[in-house]
Amino acid sequence: GDSVTQMEGPVTLSEEAFLTINCTYTATGYPSLFWYVQYPGEGLQLLLKATKADDKGSNKGFEATYRKETTSFHLEKGSVQVSDSAVYFCALCPQGGSEKLVFGKGTKLTVNP
Amino acid sequence: ETGVTQTPRHLVMGMTNKKSLKCEQHLGHNAMYWYKQSAKKPLELMFVYSLEERVENNSVPSRFSPECPNSSHLFLHLHTLQPEDSALYLCASSRRTGSYEQYFGPGTRLTVT
Repeated sequence: GDSVTQMEGPVTLSEEAFLTINCTYTATGYPSLFWYVQYPGEGLQLLLKATKADDKGSNKGFEATYRKETTSFHLEKGSVQVSDSAVYFCALCPQGGSEKLVFGKGTKLTVNP
Repeated sequence: ETGVTQTPRHLVMGMTNKKSLKCEQHLGHNAMYWYKQSAKKPLELMFVYSLEERVENNSVPSRFSPECPNSSHLFLHLHTLQPEDSALYLCASSRRTGSYEQYFGPGTRLTVT
């Protein structure tokens, strides 16, 4: 079945460091791919998405590129801030659409000043 | 009010109580979801409603009873819960077409004593 694997956390960085959170997926065809972020005490928020191969999703300085050849959708940010401290979830929606998203386990990021 | 709202935000209940969680979406979506988020466990999909019809029920115990009276409202009725049911309960909604990204509410933090 479809699945999402993301790097185990927690990840701890200093402010202005470069961030990469790896995400790979298993699915048939061309799923849609998403990154969600969950700030402390809140629900999940859609951070960015990509719906076809080679698409780059971007938002708030975060980027992720849909790589079909490596079945990956790694999240990157060039310079993290303390306010980026949160849990990040990679997710996919199977090709053709589905009411059921497949989520990774989440990666907790802590950014220290 | 915009987005997805959930009430109450916090709930403490005894094992013999009956309570209900409420979710409302103001996005014109026609699919709604209940998730359970426990500490150190992956996000668990509990129920999916599409056009007010339940389309997914992931082996959830009968002490959790969902209700979807219309496409904007979703309830989770709780009775005779166990301490292990303590968790963050998240509601989400999405369109039934397109890339199916889900929009989440802030969650209800439930503690069963």
